[in-house]
Amino acid sequence: QSALTQPASVSGSPGQSITISCTGTSSDVGGYNYVSWYQQHPGKAPKLMIYEVSNRPSGVSNRFSGSKSGNTASLTISGLQAEDEAHYSCSSYTSTSLHVLFGGGTKLTVL
Amino acid sequence: QVQLQESGPGLVKPSETLSLTCTVSGGSVTSNSHYWSWIRQPPGKGLEWIGHIYYSGNTNYNPSLKSRVTISVDTSKNQFFLKLSSVTAADTAVYFCATGQSCSGGSCYPVFWYFDLWGRGTLVTVSS
Repeated sequence: QSALTQPASVSGSPGQSITISCTGTSSDVGGYNYVSWYQQHPGKAPKLMIYEVSNRPSGVSNRFSGSKSGNTASLTISGLQAEDEAHYSCSSYTSTSLHVLFGGGTKLTVL
Repeated sequence: QVQLQESGPGLVKPSETLSLTCTVSGGSVTSNSHYWSWIRQPPGKGLEWIGHIYYSGNTNYNPSLKSRVTISVDTSKNQFFLKLSSVTAADTAVYFCATGQSCSGGSCYPVFWYFDLWGRGTLVTVSS
């Protein structure tokens, strides 16, 4: 089972908005609203930022938003801040063998 | 507030079995509102879901690892475990235990498709 596809890196300046894509198939991203996004700073555990495509856990800034179109999910971060610089990973439930797939991760650089 | 903490050897020899423990505090492994999962991350690479166990003992594993993985639970110690057999250098990774839960209207139910609580992770290196 292949991992979900994410760009290796994205960058933006403080105050700008960026979008990270996560592409799968109709058996995972496209077939279910079970996409989530994680932020991970170096040496730290991942932190859940978005679950079930577009829901934010309590305490996560509303600058983070999620969406999905077809087999591609997206994470948008608006009003970029220096502390947003981190790795971001997507995940999705997959009906193939009923498990969870992750993307390869995207490094966000705040210029 | 549930917390998770991984523990185990940081170095395992090739062909041997990797064994890790996740200790649950502030909650119970017998809770019916949690799946208890293991996830790993090779150095510089993406996350990989290994599998999970439910309080009933039901397990589900990543097909790519299924032949080598066993996840179990010890309710008396409030811990769950990962065993990965016949390890190679490709199994070198930071191993995380994690869980997910959805709560609404005072009721909580388990989810396995996202993880809102993670341990700090433990690095396991496979080398002779």
